[in-house]
Amino acid sequence: NAGVTQTPKFQVLKTGQSMTLQCAQDMNHNSMYWYRQDPGMGLRLIYYSASEGTTDKGEVPNGYNVSRLNKREFSLRLESAAPSQTSVYFCASSEGTGGVYEQYFGPGTRLTVT
Amino acid sequence: GQQVMQIPQYQHVQEGEDFTTYCNSSTTLSNIQWYKQRPGGHPVFLIQLVKSGEVKKQKRLTFQFGEAKKNSSLHITATQTTDVGTYFCAGRMNYGGSQGNLIFGKGTKLSVKP
Repeated sequence: NAGVTQTPKFQVLKTGQSMTLQCAQDMNHNSMYWYRQDPGMGLRLIYYSASEGTTDKGEVPNGYNVSRLNKREFSLRLESAAPSQTSVYFCASSEGTGGVYEQYFGPGTRLTVT
Repeated sequence: GQQVMQIPQYQHVQEGEDFTTYCNSSTTLSNIQWYKQRPGGHPVFLIQLVKSGEVKKQKRLTFQFGEAKKNSSLHITATQTTDVGTYFCAGRMNYGGSQGNLIFGKGTKLSVKP
């Protein structure tokens, strides 16, 4: 039982390049989330998926797209990376949405855009 | 937008001293969760508080939810080096907030001097 896994762990991109961050959970959770964490800023929600087949914007969605591929997998895509997207990205999952259930976080992806 | 304010941002203590972090919202919260993130790690769920005035304990950690459900605190008695990390509160607004998702505070980073 691996919980929430994320790939890659580290990535360096040049401005304008694209990439997809992968996330998978094996807990049969309905809801999944993407957060970014910047120094002194806490965790900010980028996008979330309340259930398979649905996605919604969070607090900071600009410059990102997501895909809920199936119940297990939720990917985050940067179409044209910018230095402002340098951050640590965490994927999380929970049984349900609505902020009632505890969230389980993956180990994170450290992204640097030069 | 809706915010959950957390203070202090940093706290340095001598091992054995007590530590408290506070979380405040201008809006009534339905519930509040607390997470701990070790240096270089990912957030890990500690506890959830739901009822007005609720107090919960986990060994040396005491969590409180205010009577008005607008504030919360985490108190650690006799800190140990294993308590080092950043503590986040995350609240869900009573009227649904950002589609009812958790809003994270910016965290309190605790360092403990042996």
